[in-house]
Amino acid sequence: KNQVEQSPQSLIILEGKNCTLQCNYTVSPFSNLRWYKQDTGRGPVSLTIMTFSENTKSNGRYTATLDADTKQSSLHITASQLSDSASYICVVSGEEDSSYKLIFGSGTRLLVRP
Amino acid sequence: DTEVTQTPKHLVMGMTNKKSLKCEQHMGHRAMYWYKQKAKKPPELMFVYSYEKLSINESVPSRFSPECPNSSLLNLHLHALQPEDSALYLCASSQDRTGWFTEAFFGQGTRLTVV
Repeated sequence: KNQVEQSPQSLIILEGKNCTLQCNYTVSPFSNLRWYKQDTGRGPVSLTIMTFSENTKSNGRYTATLDADTKQSSLHITASQLSDSASYICVVSGEEDSSYKLIFGSGTRLLVRP
Repeated sequence: DTEVTQTPKHLVMGMTNKKSLKCEQHMGHRAMYWYKQKAKKPPELMFVYSYEKLSINESVPSRFSPECPNSSLLNLHLHALQPEDSALYLCASSQDRTGWFTEAFFGQGTRLTVV
């Protein structure tokens, strides 16, 4: 069964600190992996999208890594800011029932404290 | 313009009401999606339209009725909803449905409360 699992479920860090969020997936065949940031009650906003041939992709203070062999991805946030408080969702695009679908992880809820 | 616009932002409706959610994009995307998201849960796919035709219905109850009048617009008609249908309804669009390196853009959502 296609699954995307994220850890930790929630995380509290102090402003200015770094953190790393994890994503493991069992989606096959695999098309691409995306990280989204979702503020409470708002729609998800794309941070990065990576194909199997990409190992690292950065977007400002966000750096995503992908290991297609071990089916693991991470999102590293550098020098966290209060505005980084949100849910971070790992989404894998893969084939299910003969069509491509976005398979969502349950997200990591990040709280950045002053 | 990489924006998906959803209206209204908030909606409160009674169980006997009929209402519609609207979604619009002007990126030339030919795939549009409706998702339902409950609090602290990931979005759940409801419907997919590809080239203005319904291609996926994830066994959604008939009280939800999607409509795609043209390539830029997507509606979700609501009738006789239940309180458990209260959720954030998200619209998304992508260039097509192939899934190969297609970026999906989400709207800000409509917060629906059924009373």
